[in-house]
Amino acid sequence: NAGVTQTPKFRILKIGQSMTLQCTQDMNHNYMYWYRQDPGMGLKLIYYSVGAGITDKGEVPNGYNVSRSTTEDFPLRLELAAPSQTSVYFCASSDSGPSRYEQYFGPGTRLTVT
Amino acid sequence: AQSVAQPEDQVNVAEGNPLTVKCTYSVSGNPYLFWYVQYPNRGLQFLLKYITGDNLVKGSYGFEAEFNKSQTSFHLKKPSALVSDSALYFCAVRDIRDNFNKFYFGSGTKLNVKP
Repeated sequence: NAGVTQTPKFRILKIGQSMTLQCTQDMNHNYMYWYRQDPGMGLKLIYYSVGAGITDKGEVPNGYNVSRSTTEDFPLRLELAAPSQTSVYFCASSDSGPSRYEQYFGPGTRLTVT
Repeated sequence: AQSVAQPEDQVNVAEGNPLTVKCTYSVSGNPYLFWYVQYPNRGLQFLLKYITGDNLVKGSYGFEAEFNKSQTSFHLKKPSALVSDSALYFCAVRDIRDNFNKFYFGSGTKLNVKP
């Protein structure tokens, strides 16, 4: 049981480039989340999904897009990278049943936009 | 609106001494409260949660936290700190009425335990 996995671990992008951050979970969780972590700012929710085909915006969605075609995968897309998107990105998942309290986090992707 | 405040960017404590990491919250309804720990270059790991019942909850690695509704606080505590407890600690809150289990995180407190 690998839990939540994210790829890549590190990436450097030039301004205006695009990329997709991958996230996969093997716990059959319906709920998945993308956060960004900026120094001294804690984690901010970018997008979340409550099941395949269903996504919604979080606190800071501008500049990002998501899709959820399967229960396992929840990729995050950056279309036109900007320096303000330099951050560490975390994917998380949680159960949707009565014990849907804990979120399980991946190891993160460190993105630098220059 | 939901929010969490961790008033201390950093807490320094000597090994063997008790530690406290502070957290206050604001939610429009009743809260679910959580503590997570992050070690360098790692994702967040769950430590403990308050859902209902006893105000003192116990979690992993000897940590505990006390829910105080009148002070809207959920401070993390440990009776005797270890050097290996040095890490970044995050408090998080969720409104119990939120059907989608969305969390709101504090800015984090760096705990330094010196030998």
